[in-house]
Amino acid sequence: GENVGLHLPTLSVQEGDNSIINCAYSNSASDYFIWYKQESGKGPQFIIDIRSNMDKRQGQRVTVLLNKTVKHLSLQIAATQPGDSAVYFCAENMGLVNKLVFGAGTILRVKS
Amino acid sequence: EAGVAQSPRYKIIEKRQSVAFWCNPISGHATLYWYQQILGQGPKLLIQFQNNGVVDDSQLPKDRFSAERLKGVDSTLKIQPAKLEDSAVYLCASSQGVREQETQYFGPGTRLLVL
Repeated sequence: GENVGLHLPTLSVQEGDNSIINCAYSNSASDYFIWYKQESGKGPQFIIDIRSNMDKRQGQRVTVLLNKTVKHLSLQIAATQPGDSAVYFCAENMGLVNKLVFGAGTILRVKS
Repeated sequence: EAGVAQSPRYKIIEKRQSVAFWCNPISGHATLYWYQQILGQGPKLLIQFQNNGVVDDSQLPKDRFSAERLKGVDSTLKIQPAKLEDSAVYLCASSQGVREQETQYFGPGTRLLVL
């Protein structure tokens, strides 16, 4: 498969544990944030999003937290499974025309 | 619902050659995006179309890159002449409209290697 992420931070977790992936964003004026999952050889897949008027949003097994004071996002994955192994990107929406700016990404490795 | 289609999936060329990539967005999606993803980095937007008009091409290297979406559906991205630093995955994405907070759906990408 594609050797994505030679210089990306890596998070290794045991199957069944919870994972927390962090992201710092750049523009204090951004008001919409998205987490994407990218598996080897595939395009990014939407996971969950959050607007700046919220500080927490929950989905199925995933929670996104937003701290606007320090421009920080986190993605929490509950009961991590081997299928969660991928590169995770946060993205911020930079204005009125749906332009996304992606962060550098984090590799999540799940150990069985 | 069919996803975003891209072809070819892989391409190897020599520097100074030209190459073209094709994208067919999700049916009914008005907005189409081309991204470049260099190894180890997040995707970077090259150009954004709404129907057949360009919304944003501020990061497209226009001396060598061009893109079109003549009928407002599928799109082609061309590089001529290619440089070594163009080696990357080229991702196409689409969304229903161009408003903020519309989910962008990505295709599998075209992996380009320039030798």
